Amino acid sequence: KAGVTQTPRYLIKTRGQQVTLSCSPISGHRSVSWYQQTPGQGLQFLFEYFSETQRNKGNFPGRFSGRQFSNSRSEMNVSTLELGDSALYLCASSALTSGGRTDTQYFGPGTRLTVL
Amino acid sequence: DQQVKQNSPSLSVQEGRISILNCDYTNSMFDYFLWYKKYPAEGPTFLISISSIKDKNEDGRFTVFLNKSAKHLSLHIVPSQPGDSAVYFCAASRNQGGKLIFGQGTELSVKP
Repeated sequence: KAGVTQTPRYLIKTRGQQVTLSCSPISGHRSVSWYQQTPGQGLQFLFEYFSETQRNKGNFPGRFSGRQFSNSRSEMNVSTLELGDSALYLCASSALTSGGRTDTQYFGPGTRLTVL
Repeated sequence: DQQVKQNSPSLSVQEGRISILNCDYTNSMFDYFLWYKKYPAEGPTFLISISSIKDKNEDGRFTVFLNKSAKHLSLHIVPSQPGDSAVYFCAASRNQGGKLIFGQGTELSVKP
């Protein structure tokens, strides 16, 4: 079974621009979560999508948004980029347990975003 | 507010010996805990998990222990191998939801 894929792997943008990152989950996984990793703040949760609906949201400004499509693929968008948005953006997918809870999250390789 | 803490930024162990990585949490509502291994510029790789209804879970060389009263979990790696050298993150969630709270990570170095 193919793992979680993320595109692009590397991206360079300038301040004020916007960016869209893409994530394809493991086949059969319907939950997709996004995380930001920076040296100072570590791994921080951005949001989770399930069945095209945002189920959970972290403490990030509204410039960070996402969506999920009917095939469970997900995108996240960052508008009006700031220097501090430079980070590794990670996507994770998971199945649901028989009880409807999120099972183990499996991560993609990440997208390295550099904002100049 | 750091709800999940890994107080040791680094750990060095000799090959063949036991590696013990520790993690503390403050939120008693957490009910699912995971350990991930991570190399630079790669995504975290899942190692092992434990539900709050258990106090121990084993998978090969990896064992996770959970002490709910102390709000403490640990990962034991026996025997340690040079290929285990990486950054290890513990993570926790509530209601086994899709929001994981991560610790800051511990860099493990296993020396031959």
